[in-house]
Amino acid sequence: GAGVSQSPRYKVAKRGQDVALRCDPISGHVSLFWYQQALGQGPEFLTYFQNEAQLDKSGLPSDRFFAERPEGSVSTLKIQRTQQEDSAVYLCASSLGNEKLFFGSGTQLSVL
Amino acid sequence: AQSVTQPDIHITVSEGASLELRCNYSYGATPYLFWYVQSPGQGLQLLLKYFSGDTLVQGIKGFEAEFKRSQSSFNLRKPSVHWSDAAEYFCAVGAGEYGNKLVFGAGTILRVKS
Repeated sequence: GAGVSQSPRYKVAKRGQDVALRCDPISGHVSLFWYQQALGQGPEFLTYFQNEAQLDKSGLPSDRFFAERPEGSVSTLKIQRTQQEDSAVYLCASSLGNEKLFFGSGTQLSVL
Repeated sequence: AQSVTQPDIHITVSEGASLELRCNYSYGATPYLFWYVQSPGQGLQLLLKYFSGDTLVQGIKGFEAEFKRSQSSFNLRKPSVHWSDAAEYFCAVGAGEYGNKLVFGAGTILRVKS
């Protein structure tokens, strides 16, 4: 596609539910990043893939957060047993290399 | 640890006036520095980046930024603001082994009055 696509655009979950957020990067982009943006804050790094390899997951806030990119293209961010503090916009970005990141519009997660 | 400070949460300027958004960073080595813009419901768009070389960097939409190592600053400027520039602006420093793990500031919301 023309850009980074994220789905769903909005997700409402009850506390304790599991959620899965999808990212379709730009075709051919080897690098993929997930960021979390809380209301009124800048994005915060969660994790980074190069092709299918997860090279950095230091930003994942707890073991309830899990990301995968099994075929080096589409990525899924999974949050288990969601908590209210997980409410945020989750941004995905992809890149050909180490320079310019192309961001998707994000998934806004609200945990009630 | 790397950090980015954007001292101004909100800025309001008149259309046609000049603009300067402030950014200070903390980073041990020569930083990779970026400015991104985010409009409501849109993804972040890269305005410009500094890696090395000329400390005055030109970007898209008429924006420029100047890297000042002595002040640990990377301020964004535009000589004449348009109403369509109203958005939120984020400064970021590239961290991590590959320099591609962005550490963002909290953002500055720009309002443009006609």
